[in-house]
Amino acid sequence: RKEVEQDPGPFNVPEGATVAFNCTYSNSASQSFFWYRQDCRKEPKLLMSVYSSGNEDGRFTAQLNRASQYISLLIRDSKLSDSATYLCVVNMRSGNTPLVFGKGTRLSVIA
Amino acid sequence: NAGVMQNPRHLVRRRGQEARLRCSPMKGHSHVYWYRQLPEEGLKFMVYLQKENIIDESGMPKERFSAEFPKEGPSILRIQQVVRGDSAAYFCASSGSTDTQYFGPGTRLTVL
Repeated sequence: RKEVEQDPGPFNVPEGATVAFNCTYSNSASQSFFWYRQDCRKEPKLLMSVYSSGNEDGRFTAQLNRASQYISLLIRDSKLSDSATYLCVVNMRSGNTPLVFGKGTRLSVIA
Repeated sequence: NAGVMQNPRHLVRRRGQEARLRCSPMKGHSHVYWYRQLPEEGLKFMVYLQKENIIDESGMPKERFSAEFPKEGPSILRIQQVVRGDSAAYFCASSGSTDTQYFGPGTRLTVL
């Protein structure tokens, strides 16, 4: 089983749609969770950290379910500029340690 | 806004040559990580360094690859005798007192 698994997509959605991405991780001891966004041929950029209580940042909502080892990202009112690859990222240990990346889910928002 | 800096942005080498990739962490950050992204693949961890120390090199190939982070100057990832399979994007990230990592723009290595 892969350490971090994501549906690769692509997800093709119209502007204004709501879209959700899911991610599962294999190590139940994992400590920190993130969603990064990567545009074509660019570096990953931190979108948001994911907490057990869930967190929201504008149109973006992230949820963590530790019992099911499952992370989600919800994007409401999709914009053309949301088109990118969304990376589910897990820190297996606490503190400054290497990150484990999923392969990403590709989103295309269409006018 | 001094983010993570990497150079060169693009590097072309012939098989058998050496490649040197540089990374300057964000100001105030002492933790540096190198990741490699092959075409159509996710990022894979290679090596984690703090000033003058290699903390974790479990993701780095045992041969031809080495990394350093000297007391002064940038971190360097060195690939000796490059082969075509080394062609990839190499990203550096840094972190400070929290575990949030910020990435540089990457070096795209092409081996001819």
